[in-house]
Amino acid sequence: EVQLVESGGDLVQPGGSLRLSCAASGFTFSNYWMHWVRQVPGKGLVWVSRLNSDGSSTNYADSVKGRFTISRDNAKNTLYLQMNSLRAEDTAVYYCARRHAAGGFFDCWGQGTLVTVSS
Amino acid sequence: EIVMTQSPATLSVSPGEGATLSCRASQSVSSTLAWYQQKPGQPPRLLIYDASTRATGIPARFSGSGSGTEFTLTISSLQSEDFAVYYCQQYNNWHWTFGQGTKVEIK
Repeated sequence: EVQLVESGGDLVQPGGSLRLSCAASGFTFSNYWMHWVRQVPGKGLVWVSRLNSDGSSTNYADSVKGRFTISRDNAKNTLYLQMNSLRAEDTAVYYCARRHAAGGFFDCWGQGTLVTVSS
Repeated sequence: EIVMTQSPATLSVSPGEGATLSCRASQSVSSTLAWYQQKPGQPPRLLIYDASTRATGIPARFSGSGSGTEFTLTISSLQSEDFAVYYCQQYNNWHWTFGQGTKVEIK
């Protein structure tokens, strides 16, 4: 069974840092581009970042560029999101999502992990 | 950034009736358009990709159409499990964007 499990969400103060993880199983992780998408509870989906299969190419939403870093460890089947200089507006549920092999849509999502930025 | 606009924000439908959801892109995205369904407390689920191709396991009552800037998701004969929020998403460039969602609620 294809599965993505996020972890690392927590309550953090403004200006703080946090690293999210996404453990993948049930498929050949190293073959797939991966993304992070976030969602403020009760609001819509917002794309955050994307990483290609070997970790050599990234994209970021303007709102997180320079503060967030996406990375992966294909030996551990794990995707990461390092979040620095966190702001209240970064509060959201963060999902990792697998890009389908045939296109830029997302065919598998994790359950999400909640990040709360508050003093 | 390509802005995706969905309408209506909320659609009230009786079980067994059909529903038509719209999604408009601020510039052409060709057919690089997906639809997702999200229920409370769950992650999104892929329904449609490439504007009109149903994802694996998606019932035939879900259909997608359109290209360029205008897209439609049609649900024929809504079942109880179809009441949810639906999002469109474009993947035409390197900054993926979603619509704000349409909530399909029981009338």
